[in-house]
Amino acid sequence: QVQLQESGPGLVKPSETLSLTCTVSGGSVTSGSYYWSWIRQPPGKGLEWIGYIYKSGSTKYNALFKSRVTISVDTSKEQFSLNLNSVTAEDTAVYYCARIDYGAYTHYFDSWGQGTLVTVSS
Amino acid sequence: EIVLTQSPATLSLSPGERATLSCRASQSVSIYLGWYQQKPGQAPRLLIFDASSRATGIPARFSGSGSGTDFTLTISSLEPEDFAVYYCQQRNNWPLTFGGGTRVEIK
Repeated sequence: QVQLQESGPGLVKPSETLSLTCTVSGGSVTSGSYYWSWIRQPPGKGLEWIGYIYKSGSTKYNALFKSRVTISVDTSKEQFSLNLNSVTAEDTAVYYCARIDYGAYTHYFDSWGQGTLVTVSS
Repeated sequence: EIVLTQSPATLSLSPGERATLSCRASQSVSIYLGWYQQKPGQAPRLLIFDASSRATGIPARFSGSGSGTDFTLTISSLEPEDFAVYYCQQRNNWPLTFGGGTRVEIK
């Protein structure tokens, strides 16, 4: 069974870049028809999809973030990453990495990491 | 973007009771709506996809219905482990969007 684990700094200063990595185990970022996603959840609020990447490197982003976000994949390390630049306090959230199994569930998220809290503060 | 509005915000019920949760879309999403369960400190878990199909391993007491703009998640008889927050999510239009959630709490 695939497992996803987020890692990265828990504290980022305003105007800087938030960088997170998701490590995939028990599976491969290059196998199957999987889209590797980032989703966030501000404290006490609902879920917000940020974007996803396919094994080929093709990406799709939420227009809300499009000018600030980059998602990349490192197939040799079985990892994919999120960079969100010019952060503000409004970017404080739990960030989840998640998988879309397109073959089974099309654009729903069937596997998730545990989430990591990122706080934007000076 | 499609806005999903969930109601009620909180549902207070006792174990064994039936729970009925609503998700309304700002425009039609056909049948392309799913439901997730989230417990405190945990990631969401996919329960239902495409309005009425249960994901692998999901108990039969969870069922979904609806199409167009109005959808319902029903838990036929609440088990203690079902008290959680439930989110809907649509995949009909970009960006993928989620509802604000319904908390099912013990009465």
